[in-house]
Amino acid sequence: QQQVKQSPQSLIVQKGGISIINCAYENTAFDYFPWYQQFPGKGPALLIAIRPDVSEKKEGRFTISFNKSAKQFSLHIMDSQPGDSATYFCAASIRGGDYKLSFGAGTTVTVRA
Amino acid sequence: DAGVIQSPRHEVTEMGQEVTLRCKPISGHNSLFWYRQTMMRGLELLIYFNNNVPIDDSGMPEDRFSAKMPNASFSTLKIQPSEPRDSAVYFCANKQGARTEAFFGQGTRLTVV
Repeated sequence: QQQVKQSPQSLIVQKGGISIINCAYENTAFDYFPWYQQFPGKGPALLIAIRPDVSEKKEGRFTISFNKSAKQFSLHIMDSQPGDSATYFCAASIRGGDYKLSFGAGTTVTVRA
Repeated sequence: DAGVIQSPRHEVTEMGQEVTLRCKPISGHNSLFWYRQTMMRGLELLIYFNNNVPIDDSGMPEDRFSAKMPNASFSTLKIQPSEPRDSAVYFCANKQGARTEAFFGQGTRLTVV
């Protein structure tokens, strides 16, 4: 079963708007939470990542919010641009040397000009 | 470094044929992953290697699937015999540590007719 649940499946936002994607997990051993961005015909690429010792991380227009007690984290895309149109995946991996990532199902974001 | 290199980019084969997908990882990145991506199931981890040793192959769907990593510079994913339901995009990815970025190749789009 999917260890990381992601929603919504897709969203459409106007240029300049805010895109919000949510993820939830159950495994408290997860200690690394990256977001990947994938354009059509390409492999996923790391966008931004957070560790559970911080509640928020911002890089440019992209912000991760992390709620450890609720076991939820989200990606906010501020001032969305048409170039942000892509599929976004949240992921998680556990501590202790296990290198594998568990991915959410993905969210397709369409930014309309 | 050219990144993770996968070949071929596209493969069309007939049902029952053997298919071999290839991956050249990034030098010095000691974890290698094979993922399968479909619309229905998203990104599924098939198998991962650490220092050329298979660590977890629980995601390999059937005995028709096999993967090898004979050295740090090369990995293959083989499907024999192939079936139409194997049609998907297969990604190879590399990591250097537990909390580090996973670098994905461009993927191989496999179509089994």
